[in-house]
Amino acid sequence: DAGVTQSPTHLIKTRGQHVTLRCSPISGHKSVSWYQQVLGQGPQFIFQYYEKEERGRGNFPDRFSARQFPNYSSELNVNALLLGDSALYLCASSLGQGASQETQYFGPGTRLLVL
Amino acid sequence: AQTVTQSQPEMSVQEAETVTLSCTYDTSESDYYLFWYKQPPSRQMILVIRQEAYKQQNATENRFSVNFQKAAKSFSLKISDSQLGDAAMYFCAYISNFGNEKLTFGTGTRLTIIP
Repeated sequence: DAGVTQSPTHLIKTRGQHVTLRCSPISGHKSVSWYQQVLGQGPQFIFQYYEKEERGRGNFPDRFSARQFPNYSSELNVNALLLGDSALYLCASSLGQGASQETQYFGPGTRLLVL
Repeated sequence: AQTVTQSQPEMSVQEAETVTLSCTYDTSESDYYLFWYKQPPSRQMILVIRQEAYKQQNATENRFSVNFQKAAKSFSLKISDSQLGDAAMYFCAYISNFGNEKLTFGTGTRLTIIP
């Protein structure tokens, strides 16, 4: 089976623009989580979705939003980009029924550079 | 709030030798899970090993094993017979089993394997 996939792999944007990042979970997984990893740091939790509903939100501004589709894929949207949004964005999937009970498997990430 | 601390920013080990990476965490909860993830230069976050807090037995996965000390809130990773492919950033992570859906990561330890 294919692992978690993310697109695009790299992205360059300018300040003020918006961006959409995409994630497809492992087949059979119903939960998707998004993390931001700034260079030299550990990943920080942004959102978690299960069965198309938001189950958790990290300490990120409202410029960050996400959604999950009926096929369990997910999009992360960031509006009004700031230089500080430059980071690796990681998507993780798990079976569901509470991510704490399931191991999260990560995709390869999308590297976003904001100029 | 839960925190995860990795006090060793960098470690190095001779090929075929054994190395131990340290991790401590802070939580008031009794039921949780702990993980070690490996992130090579390719950026993909790969699960190494998982430990359930209610299990006293330390988890092992081939050359990887943990020393879980619940009272001390310590969770170290031992890599035996180190191989060149083990070179990566290693992240310790915590997740609660009480509705908190996010993984909390440490800042990581960069492991270098010396041929």
